[in-house]
Amino acid sequence: AQKVTQAQTEISVVEKEDVTLDCVYETRDTTYYLFWYKQPPSGELVFLIRRNSFDEQNEISGRYSWNFQKSTSSFNFTITASQVVDSAVYFCALSEAGWTDSWGKLQFGAGTQVVVTP
Amino acid sequence: DGGITQSPKYLFRKEGQNVTLSCEQNLNHDAMYWYRQDPGQGLRLIYYSQIVNDFQKGDIAEGYSVSREKKESFPLTVTSAQKNPTAFYLCASSVPGGPWETQYFGPGTRLLVL
Repeated sequence: AQKVTQAQTEISVVEKEDVTLDCVYETRDTTYYLFWYKQPPSGELVFLIRRNSFDEQNEISGRYSWNFQKSTSSFNFTITASQVVDSAVYFCALSEAGWTDSWGKLQFGAGTQVVVTP
Repeated sequence: DGGITQSPKYLFRKEGQNVTLSCEQNLNHDAMYWYRQDPGQGLRLIYYSQIVNDFQKGDIAEGYSVSREKKESFPLTVTSAQKNPTAFYLCASSVPGGPWETQYFGPGTRLLVL
């Protein structure tokens, strides 16, 4: 079963617009970790942020912000004032800490392609 | 500079041929991972290794093999048993293996079948 769902396949914006990427996850574990990665056209995945299930404090880092809500199992990511260099595929991933076959394995969503045009 | 290197960047495989993808890291990480990425899809785990001389199958291990003889190296062999090998392969590492650890990725190898 798909544990991480990124419903948006592609988002196109004009430079300086805000972009919000949705991520919905599914887990029975009480302890788990959520990640966002960026994959630019070069292909290498770049780590952006990690959150554990006990830390619902949202954060802003420069033009990036995150909204983690356990009640809705969502971990959304926003780019404020987008730039052309933000064009990439963004992946949300889940790592579960319960004693199952999934322990410690990163489970990725399908990714959201962000296209920022000048 | 510390990091993960993967070679080659592009690799071509003929029918019935085994090919080996290289992954080297100088981050002193204990755990290493191999993922496969198909177009429009997320990454899927092939194999992972928490420590030297030990490795476990991931979700799609059939048709692949690995070895972990050195801490810094985790080569992946795509065997002739893998019938659909065309994909982008990414190697990652972390300190050490565990659900709380951030995995860091290499630049990837694109495998194409001739």
